Amino acid sequence: QKEVEQNSGPLSVPEGAIASLNCTYSDRGSQSFFWYRQYSGKSPELIMSIYSNGDKEDGRFTAQLNKASQYVSLLIRDSQPSDSATYLCAVNIGSGGGADGLTFGKGTHLIIQP
Amino acid sequence: KAGVTQTPRYLIKTRGQQVTLSCSPISGHRSVSWYQQTPGQGLQFLFEYFSETQRNKGNFPGRFSGRQFSNSRSEMNVSTLELGDSALYLCASSYQIGTEAFFGQGTRLTVV
Repeated sequence: QKEVEQNSGPLSVPEGAIASLNCTYSDRGSQSFFWYRQYSGKSPELIMSIYSNGDKEDGRFTAQLNKASQYVSLLIRDSQPSDSATYLCAVNIGSGGGADGLTFGKGTHLIIQP
Repeated sequence: KAGVTQTPRYLIKTRGQQVTLSCSPISGHRSVSWYQQTPGQGLQFLFEYFSETQRNKGNFPGRFSGRQFSNSRSEMNVSTLELGDSALYLCASSYQIGTEAFFGQGTRLTVV
C-alpha cells in the first residue's frame, strides 16, 4: 500500500527565515512528486513539481528529491506571513497501467511568525 | 486561461439520495481526476479519466462512479448517500496522466 508521510506540525518559522518541509514515501516505483499549498477553506494550489533526483528551484521555492532515500522536501526562502498554510506532498507512481492517481500526505501546517 | 471549474460549489442532500457533480478541465487537458477531502482522511483518490476512459480507481465503494465526455468534461455520481459522504470533492485536470494536476475550487457536499 502506497503511503506518503509528513509531519503534521504545526511548524512555526520566523518571518524571513527558511521553512523546511519534509515528506517520505513508501513506493519505490514512484516517479512524479508534487507540492501543493492549501489555505483554509480553499482548494490545493500546485507550487512545485519534481521528477528527477536533485534540486529544482522556482523563485523562493526549492524542491529536493532523493529517490534512493525515498525522500522529497520543499524549502521556502525568505518566508512571508502569506506562506502560512498547509503544505501537501503528493506522489504519483507513474503513468499508464501502474498509476493510481496522486497519493497525498496529510499535510504540514506551516505558520510564519511576523 | 480559464482554470478548472466545478459545479455546484455547495450541496446539501439527504441520506439515501444521489448526487451528480460536474467538472470542466483546463482547455487542452485530457485527464480529469477526482478526490475526496475530509478532515480525518485527508485527500483520497477516487478515480481518473483520460480520453473518456476510466484509467484508475481508488478504494471507494461502487456507489461512487464517474464518466468523462468527448470534450473532456467529467461528472461524478454518488448514489445512496451516507452521512460519511459529507466532504469536499475536488476535481483536478492535467495534460497527461502523471503530469502536473490543477485543482478546481471543489464542491462542498453535506449529507443530512
